[in-house]
Amino acid sequence: QSALTQPRSVSGSPGQSVTISCTGISSDGSGYKYVSWYQEHPGKAPKVMIYDVSKRPSGVPDRFSGSKSGNTASLTISGLQAEDEADYYCCSNAGSYTFLFGGGTKLTVL
Amino acid sequence: EVQLVETGGGLIQPGGSLRLSCAASGFTVSSDYMTWVRQAPGKGLEWVSGIYRGGSTYYADSVKGRFTVSRDNSKNTLFLQMNSLTAEDTAVYYCARLDSSGYYYFDYWGQGTLVTVSS
Repeated sequence: QSALTQPRSVSGSPGQSVTISCTGISSDGSGYKYVSWYQEHPGKAPKVMIYDVSKRPSGVPDRFSGSKSGNTASLTISGLQAEDEADYYCCSNAGSYTFLFGGGTKLTVL
Repeated sequence: EVQLVETGGGLIQPGGSLRLSCAASGFTVSSDYMTWVRQAPGKGLEWVSGIYRGGSTYYADSVKGRFTVSRDNSKNTLFLQMNSLTAEDTAVYYCARLDSSGYYYFDYWGQGTLVTVSS
């Protein structure tokens, strides 16, 4: 079970866009399709923001978008808001019903 | 309303055992894939274990052979039996549900229970 690599931190000013990468996604099998992203605020449980690479659950603002190219998935947050400051984790299916999380990225809104 | 409540965490000595519980409401644990995810202090999320509706179980390499996931359908509760604990197992343990429509993401999470392994 190889790790997924994320940048430790990213930052942006309100209104700007930021992109968080997640490298190490399997190029075949279910990991290729089943990438999700979670937002975690301090002391709170994680919340899904993106699933199946680019789908948004009901209630998640359309400022959040996901994509994938090769073995790298990306989460883009446009129109940054102060409430977006949080830790973000990518997650990939690693075969059958096993999963792999990335190391997490701390987003700072300047 | 879907709700998950973890209990059973605490301070345990290295080599000891602990059983975590996750009481579910608003849905049936036996009808969905349930999982345990942990987060060591100041660290990232780590998938630990899961149990599918049919009863098949899955484990991360880091806990295989030491942890056992199970459920009690009559109590609608998920369990994680943890044996041979080491300091590296110190973490907040969350239970979560895989989306019931079959998508591969965790749609509901508990608030977590802290396990501290220390002498």
